[in-house]
Amino acid sequence: GQNIDQPTEMTATEGAIVQINCTYQTSGFNGLFWYQQHAGEAPTFLSYNVLDGLEEKGRFSSFLSRSKGYSYLLLKELQMKDSASYLCAVMDSNYQLIWGAGTKLIIKP
Amino acid sequence: GAVVSQHPSRVICKSGTSVKIECRSLDFQATTMFWYRQFPKQSLMLMATSNEGSKATYEQGVEKDKFLINHASLTLSTLTVTSAHPEDSSFYICSARDWDRGSTEAFFGQGTRLTVV
Repeated sequence: GQNIDQPTEMTATEGAIVQINCTYQTSGFNGLFWYQQHAGEAPTFLSYNVLDGLEEKGRFSSFLSRSKGYSYLLLKELQMKDSASYLCAVMDSNYQLIWGAGTKLIIKP
Repeated sequence: GAVVSQHPSRVICKSGTSVKIECRSLDFQATTMFWYRQFPKQSLMLMATSNEGSKATYEQGVEKDKFLINHASLTLSTLTVTSAHPEDSSFYICSARDWDRGSTEAFFGQGTRLTVV
């Protein structure tokens, strides 16, 4: 079956760095997405990786290793507004998105 | 990026009534739209894939007669929750991809919080 695993919850301190991991097992692979979702709102796009390596976009970076079925989202210089759920999603061979359950990130002052 | 507009953002209805949720792609044509529901503290669950001009494809366990989907144009898909019950209360979200631009990113509507009383 298809499976996306990510931690349920993480806590970090304002100004620090946090890494949210995601492992996946899917039928085919056409890219991995990271989305941010604040409570009561729809997800917003953060990053897309289809090739191995690190993609950097401002304070956020995303890494992919296809051979290991592994990705991480790295958030630097954490701000209180970064408190949200972070969803990992993989596009399978049918171009359908398979979603992880999300990681709730709590930022403390 | 592309914009997807979903309406209404919140709706409260009485048990037994029907509710229609609209999803519009504002600056691109979406031949395919996706409808999700999300329970508190849970991930998105794909309900159905809406294809313009044809019948929607429903995921296993989703009642097609209860969740009616109409994708009559390239910019509009609607989800109607028929004979709503309290257990249908949830957060419903639509998304679309702008295939014409070669984008694989899924753009989301704002979501609809449905409460059935």
